[in-house]
Amino acid sequence: EVQLLESGGDLVQPGGSLRLSCAASGFTFNTYAMSWVRQAPGKGLEWVSSIDFRGLRTDYADSVKGRFTISRDNSKSTLYLEMNSLRAEDTAVYYCARHKVILKEHFQHWGQGTLVTVSS
Amino acid sequence: DIQMTQSPSSLSASVGDRVTITCRASQDIRNSLAWYQQKSEKAPKSLIYFVSTLESGVPSRFSGSGSGTDFTLTISGLQPEDFGTYYCQQYNSYPYTFGQGTKLEIK
Repeated sequence: EVQLLESGGDLVQPGGSLRLSCAASGFTFNTYAMSWVRQAPGKGLEWVSSIDFRGLRTDYADSVKGRFTISRDNSKSTLYLEMNSLRAEDTAVYYCARHKVILKEHFQHWGQGTLVTVSS
Repeated sequence: DIQMTQSPSSLSASVGDRVTITCRASQDIRNSLAWYQQKSEKAPKSLIYFVSTLESGVPSRFSGSGSGTDFTLTISGLQPEDFGTYYCQQYNSYPYTFGQGTKLEIK
């Protein structure tokens, strides 16, 4: 069974930093593309960032480009999202998602999410 | 960016009804279209991808159709467990974008 378990969400001040993790199990992590998708309170889904299976290709939404960094450690079956210069508008539940296989496929499996709150 | 527009934003229907949700893309997305169901802001669940392919385990009352820019999610024979918010998403090009969601309530 595919399992994705996010962690690292917290209350942080504007301008602060946070690192999210997503521990994967139940599949061969190093053969699948992965993404982060977020959902602000009461709002819809917003794609944040994606990474290919090797970690060589990354893509970002304009709203986070230059502030967030996606990475993966295939030896640990873990996906990361390094978040810097956080803003109030980054407040959201952050979901880790596994693509069907490659980047140009949909999000087949989702984690339960971790809440990031940016507030003073 | 490709804009995804869903309609309606919300609807209320009875058990057994046939429900249709539409999704329009601002440009051709070459059938790279998925539908997700989300209940009470829990994790979204993938229902359909490539317009009409059902995920394993998804009941056959769910179906998808369309091409190019216009797509439809149909639930034939609505069940009580089908309440929630439904999102379409294009994955043809970055940034991947979602529709604003359709909230389905069961009468």
